[in-house]
Amino acid sequence: DSGVTQTPKHLITATGQRVTLRCSPRSGDLSVYWYQQSLDQGLQFLIQYYNGEERAKGNILERFSAQQFPDLHSELNLSSLELGDSALYFCASSVTGGSEQFFGPGTRLTVL
Amino acid sequence: GDSVTQMEGPVTLSEEAFLTINCTYTATGYPSLFWYVQYPGEGLQLLLKATKADDKGSNKGFEATYRKETTSFHLEKGSVQVSDSAVYFCALSENGGATNKLIFGTGTLLAVQP
Repeated sequence: DSGVTQTPKHLITATGQRVTLRCSPRSGDLSVYWYQQSLDQGLQFLIQYYNGEERAKGNILERFSAQQFPDLHSELNLSSLELGDSALYFCASSVTGGSEQFFGPGTRLTVL
Repeated sequence: GDSVTQMEGPVTLSEEAFLTINCTYTATGYPSLFWYVQYPGEGLQLLLKATKADDKGSNKGFEATYRKETTSFHLEKGSVQVSDSAVYFCALSENGGATNKLIFGTGTLLAVQP
């Protein structure tokens, strides 16, 4: 158990819908990262937050957004969903200034 | 940009065989290097890491050496077990930059047969 929790574990929805994925980092970790794992794109970095502020953006679509709240949990919002958004979405966290990231179990999103 | 290249899988071995999974990287700076493992139906777990040239990371019988001259970080294990069957990801993160996001290779599926 990495100490990073993600909810829900599975999510099935329809095209055009909007969903919210939630992540709670390890106790004491200020940085949260979101990654997408899909069959065609592999594991790709989406976005990073540090202590509530956006730190870095990767290959995140404009239809996707994220935020980190004062209690340090983070949410990834996916809107106008398309079939191609079906993937595993991982959250990871790390201590301040460290490079080692600990991953949550992931949320499997299926868009029908 | 930075990138990681892994050998294509799947790799199928018999129990107690020697394992090598090749990984090479391209980076403008001096990255940290990682191997992550993903067991079926689970998230990623850090297997080992190395933060500078010539460092050797090791864990659970696996090891990898950071080779700056060949920009490589090959994963090895002397005797694999059925329980090692998983997908292995090589990854890098920049040191000293604004972000330590991970850049992953495509992953290598290892199947160990009894």
